[in-house]
Amino acid sequence: GENVEQHPSTLSVQEGDSAVIKCTYSDSASNYFPWYKQELGKRPQLIIDIRSNVGEKKDQRIAVTLNKTAKHFSLHITETQPEDSAVYFCAYTNAGKSTFGDGTTLTVKP
Amino acid sequence: DTAVSQTPKYLVTQMGNDKSIKCEQNLGHDTMYWYKQDSKKFLKIMFSYNNKELIINETVPNRFSPKSPDKAHLNLHINSLELGDSAVYFCASSRLAGEGDTQYFGPGTRLTVL
Repeated sequence: GENVEQHPSTLSVQEGDSAVIKCTYSDSASNYFPWYKQELGKRPQLIIDIRSNVGEKKDQRIAVTLNKTAKHFSLHITETQPEDSAVYFCAYTNAGKSTFGDGTTLTVKP
Repeated sequence: DTAVSQTPKYLVTQMGNDKSIKCEQNLGHDTMYWYKQDSKKFLKIMFSYNNKELIINETVPNRFSPKSPDKAHLNLHINSLELGDSAVYFCASSRLAGEGDTQYFGPGTRLTVL
């Protein structure tokens, strides 16, 4: 069945350092891979996404890479800031159904 | 200009009661969803509707019954509430279903069952 493993579950970095979160999925038919950020007490919001015909996408300090052969995709945040502290969820979509990872709690220490 | 709205924001009730949560989106999207987020922050899909038709129904107790009167609304009715139903329930909508598209989440409804 559909499954996505997200690592690490918690990540603590110093302000200015980079953070990397990785997800591995099992459904080879998946074609859409979004990342959502959820701040404490707030709703999840999309920060970046990638489709299966692209290997990498970048938006300022945030980038996502996709390796379809190995079935994994990663979120890269450079020059982290305290406001990046949140829970990050990867997800993948197939046939209209989105499966979310278990989340990574990122803490950026000033 | 709220895109996806839910009511109520907080719901505190006794075990055994029946309650409803309402969701509305003004984005013109065809697809709407209900998610449950438990105390460990895991986000699990419950239901998905496309143009008022149920397309995804995960392993959810039949005490949970979604209703979509039109494609802008997806309500969730819960019968005989149990302690384990306590969670934050998020409604979401997206433009596309099959190919995958950004999901826009509502603010969430925090349900507490006593």
